[in-house]
Amino acid sequence: GAVVSQHPSRVICKSGTSVKIECRSLDFQATTMFWYRQFPKKSLMLMATSNEGSKATYEQGVEKDKFLINHASLTLSTLTVTSAHPEDSSFYICSASGSLAGANEQFFGPGTRLTVL
Amino acid sequence: SQQGEEDPQALSIQEGENATMNCSYKTSINNLQWYRQNSGRGLVHLILIRSNEREKHSGRLRVTLDTSKKSSSLLITASRAADTASYFCATEGTDSWGKLQFGAGTQVVVTP
Repeated sequence: GAVVSQHPSRVICKSGTSVKIECRSLDFQATTMFWYRQFPKKSLMLMATSNEGSKATYEQGVEKDKFLINHASLTLSTLTVTSAHPEDSSFYICSASGSLAGANEQFFGPGTRLTVL
Repeated sequence: SQQGEEDPQALSIQEGENATMNCSYKTSINNLQWYRQNSGRGLVHLILIRSNEREKHSGRLRVTLDTSKKSSSLLITASRAADTASYFCATEGTDSWGKLQFGAGTQVVVTP
């Protein structure tokens, strides 16, 4: 299957700082990328959908000014957690769908563990 | 809100036994997908079943879908210790192309 990478895999930051997480599709063009958040032993919650070259669509309850998403190219989307606070600590996972994916199939990145002190 | 609800929440079995987990959902769907997640890792796509399909097989996996009951089941036959993971169902609704709503997941532990 297609490969999606995330960087960094783990980040620890101080409260008030901003953190950028990258999601890359390595061997296909991702026209759509999705960002999810997962709490320990819980399910994935969709945060936003980003299409290349256009503004991201955020799910209800997700602050767009808090979680900035940029999908500037067909292989890269970034999620920036601005002014991070301890409650933002979570596992963030991206997924991508596009040219190589089968219909309706998303390929998931390995996730980024964010810890805000 | 969670589209898919799964049961059981946790399942502990011995190698060689079968593991069955169920998923229920609330709205009309285009398809239902099952994913596997090892602790602290990303998701691995296991199988997709479309709304007009009733059963699908892939290796030791068997998935059923009953759209009249809005439910699906995942059966893992002859389980192995390496099957230990969390399993999630996810639905793509008819009015939300591409978006997936995930269930709460079933944590499966297979002991040798």
